[in-house]
Amino acid sequence: GNSVTQMEGPVTLSEEAFLTINCTYTATGYPSLFWYVQYPGEGLQLLLKATKADDKGSNKGFEATYRKETTSFHLEKGSVQVSDSAVYFCALSDPASGTYKYIFGTGTRLKVLA
Amino acid sequence: EAGVTQFPSHSVIEKGQTVTLRCDPISGHDNLYWYRRVMGKEIKFLLHFVKESKQDESGMPNNRFLAERTGGTYSTLKVQPAELEDSGVYFCASSQADYGYTFGSGTRLTVV
Repeated sequence: GNSVTQMEGPVTLSEEAFLTINCTYTATGYPSLFWYVQYPGEGLQLLLKATKADDKGSNKGFEATYRKETTSFHLEKGSVQVSDSAVYFCALSDPASGTYKYIFGTGTRLKVLA
Repeated sequence: EAGVTQFPSHSVIEKGQTVTLRCDPISGHDNLYWYRRVMGKEIKFLLHFVKESKQDESGMPNNRFLAERTGGTYSTLKVQPAELEDSGVYFCASSQADYGYTFGSGTRLTVV
């Protein structure tokens, strides 16, 4: 079945450091891939998405490239800020399965120190 | 545009009691989803409504969980009787079409 694996946290970085959160997936079809973010006390927000191989999603300085050959969708940011502290979830959705439900990873908590 | 509203935001109940969670989707969104995150693990799909019909309830863990969606508007998720392993954060999301969910803030359920 389909699954998502993302690196365990927590990840602690200093402000302006480079961020990478790894995400790999297993899917039988051609899924769409997503990164969601949950800030403290808030709901899940879509951060970025990519719907086909080699697509790059980007938003708020974050980027992720859909790599079919490595089945990966790693999240990167060149210079993190304290306000980026949150939990980040990688997810996939595979329309070939006949449904738009998401399969999420376990989440990675990021803490950015000033 | 109002977002997806869930309440209560927190609920603490004793094992064996009943709890009802409510979700108000964005007006006009036909699709409504329930997910939950248990003990810091992955967020798991519970079920999907299209209007008032259950499109997919493959993620419902057992028959202690009952979801309804009245008139295709708000939805409730009832847990009866609650068990310790039901503790977690329950998220609701709605969408108008395929992708582009909007999630609510979640209900944190603690069963003691």
